[in-house]
Amino acid sequence: EVQLLESGGGLVQPGGSLRLSCAASGFTFSSYAMSWVRQAPGKGLEWVSLNSGSGGNTYYADSVKGRFTISRDNSKNTLYLQMNSLRAEDTAVYYCAKMQGRGVLGYMDVWGKGTTVTVSS
Amino acid sequence: EIVLTQSPGTLSLSPGERATLSCRASQSVSSSYLAWYQQKPGQAPRLLIYGASSRATGIPDRFSGSGSGTDFTLTISRLDPEDFAVYYCQQYGSSPYSFGQGTKLEIK
Repeated sequence: EVQLLESGGGLVQPGGSLRLSCAASGFTFSSYAMSWVRQAPGKGLEWVSLNSGSGGNTYYADSVKGRFTISRDNSKNTLYLQMNSLRAEDTAVYYCAKMQGRGVLGYMDVWGKGTTVTVSS
Repeated sequence: EIVLTQSPGTLSLSPGERATLSCRASQSVSSSYLAWYQQKPGQAPRLLIYGASSRATGIPDRFSGSGSGTDFTLTISRLDPEDFAVYYCQQYGSSPYSFGQGTKLEIK
């Protein structure tokens, strides 16, 4: 069974840092691009970042560019999101999602349950 | 950046009725790289439709997608009580891979 399990969320002060992890199982992790998507409380979905299967290509939403870094360790079947200079508006549930399609041009066919990040003093 | 606008914001219907949800893009979505997701409260989104019209694995055939270019539609032919949820469209043809703001489908 294909599964994604996010971890690393929590309460952090504005300006702080946090690293999220997404452990994947049930599929050949290195063959698929992966994304992070977030959802602020009571709001819609916002795509955050994408990483190709090899990790060589990365893309970011303008709202996080320069502050967040996506990476992956294919030997550990794990996707990461390093979040620096956090702001109150980064408060959200963060989902990782497996992408299916043509390389980075993929839809999100499997989602994790999410991890909650709260940025507050 | 492609902006997706979904309408209506809220749709009130009864079980058994037909639902039509719209997603309009600010520019053409290449190769119909348009997906639809369903999200229920407290749950992660679930993929319904990809490539504008292909149903994902396990999705009932009462769900169908259509459209191309800038105008896309999700149709639920006969609403089941479990279908009342929020629906999002998303384009994955060019970065940033934007989502629409969502349509809430509620029981009338």
